[in-house]
Amino acid sequence: SQQGEEDPQALSIQEGENATMNCSYKTSINNLQWYRQNSGRGLVHLILIRSNEREKHSGRLRVTLDTSKKSSSLLITASRAADTASYFCATDWALVGRQGAQKLVFGQGTRLTINP
Amino acid sequence: GAVVSQHPSWVICKSGTSVKIECRSLDFQATTMFWYRQFPKQSLMLMATSNEGSKATYEQGVEKDKFLINHASLTLSTLTVTSAHPEDSSFYICSPKREGRQETQYFGPGTRLLVL
Repeated sequence: SQQGEEDPQALSIQEGENATMNCSYKTSINNLQWYRQNSGRGLVHLILIRSNEREKHSGRLRVTLDTSKKSSSLLITASRAADTASYFCATDWALVGRQGAQKLVFGQGTRLTINP
Repeated sequence: GAVVSQHPSWVICKSGTSVKIECRSLDFQATTMFWYRQFPKQSLMLMATSNEGSKATYEQGVEKDKFLINHASLTLSTLTVTSAHPEDSSFYICSPKREGRQETQYFGPGTRLLVL
């Protein structure tokens, strides 16, 4: 499969706790992105981390990238009920026959539930 | 952020009919358009990639004669599901790539298709 793996597949925590989701991928990448999707809705871009970066922060989000292990993690601190959603990592794959062009391939996703 | 629209947002049709889904990038030009499909509780699967004015490239296992893609302009792409069957029921999401911005990929709000 061209998709990466994410774990856990589902995560349920109490409001205020931290949530950590992991993503592993298979090939070399230029960057890795995290997206959120509320049930039945479109994707919301959260954060992009480049292959030469190891950690990135955005508000309550912290993303790490370990290219030697081909893995990334997304940490949401002080979780809120509104964070309940599915979270996907996505990596870029080269488009065959088009130099420099990339396509995004998504991991399986983690369904996060924040209990009030 | 960029604005992407999809129409219709949801559609119910009878088996055997064809359904056309439109995707528009409202405030930027998209040289590349990605079409994804998402089944319930699953991740996004890339169906095809199209470039303005040329034929689409389909992912393995996606029937090009069943899922017709037209990318006639830099702001409009259409996906037509021909002779739809219940197994085609899914959430279809377009993703235009902004010209000149290799890392920037936006997503439409999605179209939910239910084939009876």
